[in-house]
Amino acid sequence: EIVVTQSPATLSVSPGERATLSCRASQSVRNYLAWYQQKHGQSPRLLIYGAFTRATGVPARFSGSGSGTDFTLTISSLQSEDVAVYYCQQYNNWPPEWTFGQGTKVEVK
Amino acid sequence: EMRLVESGGGSVVPGGSLRLSCAASGFTFRNYAMSWVRQAPGKGLEWVAGHTASGGSPTHADSVKGRFTISRDNSKNTLYLQMNSLRADDSAFYFCAKHPGFDYRGYHFDLWGQGTLVTVSS
Repeated sequence: EIVVTQSPATLSVSPGERATLSCRASQSVRNYLAWYQQKHGQSPRLLIYGAFTRATGVPARFSGSGSGTDFTLTISSLQSEDVAVYYCQQYNNWPPEWTFGQGTKVEVK
Repeated sequence: EMRLVESGGGSVVPGGSLRLSCAASGFTFRNYAMSWVRQAPGKGLEWVAGHTASGGSPTHADSVKGRFTISRDNSKNTLYLQMNSLRADDSAFYFCAKHPGFDYRGYHFDLWGQGTLVTVSS
């Protein structure tokens, strides 16, 4: 099983500042990496897939990068509505498996 | 508007059974692979089971293999999860999630339902 590790566990950022979230896979997942946002009491929402492609309707301040084992989600200018837990997920083609990181909680400082 | 609505959750004693349903609307259900993902309260996400669009080749996580069965009825636009031999560590919110294509292999989840809560306790 591919293990996915996120860091940090909690990130406190001032409004308007940049937030950088990291995700590492235990082996190469090529670019089969997605990011989801989960606000309190809500279901997850797709932000990024294919490591860097923004999903429909996702603001341009969200960007993804990386390939292989190391990935990054960047929020270029944090807004109050971005307070949430962010999960990365690998979706390796074969054997079919979908594993999530443990999440990074983003707070407004 | 594309929508997924789960139902069937509730409280059950260890060893009991439940069947979850996920009603899809706003898109052509038969064209898309689907999965179930669970989340224990306050915890992270765990993929449970996946099903291709055509009805063949379902797959289950090792943690539920032999106890849970995913299925779908494309004529009713509905995804199911039959859960047998339930244990306390199966307690979680269960979300259904849509894949963006016919197959699930190599695809993320592009739409999630609101979830249904399953509590396993004596």
